[in-house]
Amino acid sequence: DAEITQSPRHKITETGRQVTLACHQTWNHNNMFWYRQDLGHGLRLIHYSYGVQDTNKGEVSDGYSVSRSNTEDLPLTLESAASSQTSVYFCASSPSMNTEAFFGQGTRLTVV
Amino acid sequence: GQQVMQIPQYQHVQEGEDFTTYCNSSTTLSNIQWYKQRPGGHPVFLIQLVKSGEVKKQKRLTFQFGEAKKNSSLHITATQTTDVGTYFCADSSSNTGKLIFGQGTTLQVKP
Repeated sequence: DAEITQSPRHKITETGRQVTLACHQTWNHNNMFWYRQDLGHGLRLIHYSYGVQDTNKGEVSDGYSVSRSNTEDLPLTLESAASSQTSVYFCASSPSMNTEAFFGQGTRLTVV
Repeated sequence: GQQVMQIPQYQHVQEGEDFTTYCNSSTTLSNIQWYKQRPGGHPVFLIQLVKSGEVKKQKRLTFQFGEAKKNSSLHITATQTTDVGTYFCADSSSNTGKLIFGQGTTLQVKP
């Protein structure tokens, strides 16, 4: 079955380190999204992509970067992890604009 | 920029009572999507509303899109413990393709 997977599921890292969270989907969806979820803030959009070589900043993109070298993957990199980036991160994909988004299981990141 | 406000943030109900969550925007929404996230889980798509004044039903769930396309609601009739979770609305922009979520309403159901 087609799916969207995130790895790792849990990660503890130290302040200042570079961290990359993986997101892989097998649906061949064009659109991919990264969100962070924090209590009281819901899901906030970090970056999104409409296709290969396309990336766009979301609402809370500072300190994060993404790259889209193929259709299946949109890795999220924290250039220099900060405690404020402790959160649950969700990756999602959708086939096109205005269609259902499918979410991964999430990655719980703790920055100490 | 796009902003979607959702109220209430939390709701505790007795099993069998009804529940409603509201989603409001200061700008006209292109489309509105609703998602449910179970505790410890990930958001799962419920429905998309596109037309002004649209009403859709899924068993005990009723979704409405306002006439001006600036608000939407999700109503659950006779809640059950399986309805526990956080319900999110999301603005699906037809121009940018961005999916912007409201803060969510967390529903607790007491048996």
